[in-house]
Amino acid sequence: QSVLTQPPSVSGAPGQKVTISCTGSSSDIGAGHDVHWYKQLPGTAPKLLIHGDTNRPMGVPDRFSVSKSGTSASLAITGLQAEDEADYYCQSYDSSLSTYVFGTGTKVTVL
Amino acid sequence: EVQLLESGGGLVQPGGSLRLSCAATGFTFGSYAMTWVRQAPGRGLEWVSVISGSGGYTNYADSVKGRFTISRDNSKNTLYLQMNSLRAEDTAVYYCAKDAVGHGHWGQGTLVTVSS
Repeated sequence: QSVLTQPPSVSGAPGQKVTISCTGSSSDIGAGHDVHWYKQLPGTAPKLLIHGDTNRPMGVPDRFSVSKSGTSASLAITGLQAEDEADYYCQSYDSSLSTYVFGTGTKVTVL
Repeated sequence: EVQLLESGGGLVQPGGSLRLSCAATGFTFGSYAMTWVRQAPGRGLEWVSVISGSGGYTNYADSVKGRFTISRDNSKNTLYLQMNSLRAEDTAVYYCAKDAVGHGHWGQGTLVTVSS
């Protein structure tokens, strides 16, 4: 089963910007399939952060932005806050396997 | 308000079976695909299975194909996951989620532990 590759961890000081990459292949992100992003706090279910490449659900601040190029996508968090400390996952569709795939996950630490 | 409530988790021996349920409220259940996602202790999210709104289309991760069966009863607004031939590596919190992707609503999860 294919997975999307993310860095295990990123960190930054309050107010700084961090970026999380999500690297796929020609059958998922590279095939033009939407990328979705989730935030997960310990012991809780994931929460949708970005869907359909660029759409933020109501209540998600615009400090979260996304970009996409080739076989990769990125989530940027600007003005880092303590409440942003969590695990983040990307998700897309793999058309060669006809399955959905998650990224490996990235732990964001606010220093 | 959309609510998803999983049940059926527990301790099962290797080779055993378990059926998970996910009761849905707050939306027209039969109009939406539903998904099972799992998370092993200390690990990341793993997509498990998806079913279309009518139940006519299903798909599975390779890791569970042939052992797990997803189904739904739209008259009861309930999603199921029948898990057979369970292995230690199936130990995880199992979440049900609304939609095939871009899941805006998740259940709280139910823990499945496969151990002798």
